[in-house]
Amino acid sequence: NAGVTQTPKFQVLKTGQSMTLQCAQDMNHNSMYWYRQDPGMGLRLIYYSASEGTTDKGEVPNGYNVSRLNKREFSLRLESAAPSQTSVYFCASSVQPGLAGGPGELFFGEGSRLTVL
Amino acid sequence: RKEVEQDPGPFNVPEGATVAFNCTYSNSASQSFFWYRQDCRKEPKLLMSVYSSGNEDGRFTAQLNRASQYISLLIRDSKLSDSATYLCVVNAGSARQLTFGSGTQLTVLP
Repeated sequence: NAGVTQTPKFQVLKTGQSMTLQCAQDMNHNSMYWYRQDPGMGLRLIYYSASEGTTDKGEVPNGYNVSRLNKREFSLRLESAAPSQTSVYFCASSVQPGLAGGPGELFFGEGSRLTVL
Repeated sequence: RKEVEQDPGPFNVPEGATVAFNCTYSNSASQSFFWYRQDCRKEPKLLMSVYSSGNEDGRFTAQLNRASQYISLLIRDSKLSDSATYLCVVNAGSARQLTFGSGTQLTVLP
């Protein structure tokens, strides 16, 4: 059972470089999300996609772009990486809607650890 | 003030102890509540949802107090395997309004 798969798991970039984080889920979920996790802070939503063909900004979208390629795949792109984007990035998926109209249980990938020098 | 606040800990308890975590939230329109568990350098995983009437799953009990805007997690008979960070998650009705606390770290000592 693969669940949510993210690649790469680790990446080191120099300031100004670009890269794309890939995410795929095999649970037939409608909704997918990208979060970042920094020490001492909760997970913060970067972008989400409620369904195939739609994307919306979350709490911290600046410096990122996303593509919902199909129902399974949701990628996150850093066009010009900055040291402030050093973080652990998690992709997640859920059945939508869940309890009380919000997302149901979130299923996370294993995370991608990004360092920007 | 953070929307969701948790005591970061760390909580260091002996095996077999009972430990409780609280989490306060500021948005009175919050509708659903969860506890997630995150092991060191791993992804978060749902531990349990929190219902208005309170709910129990084995050694874990979750309570919601809407009037005071907090949720709690009680772990009885702690095991070494309970060592993890526990994340409080509050939802006000949409993906953008799903807010994670920064987590409470628990270490169960032999």
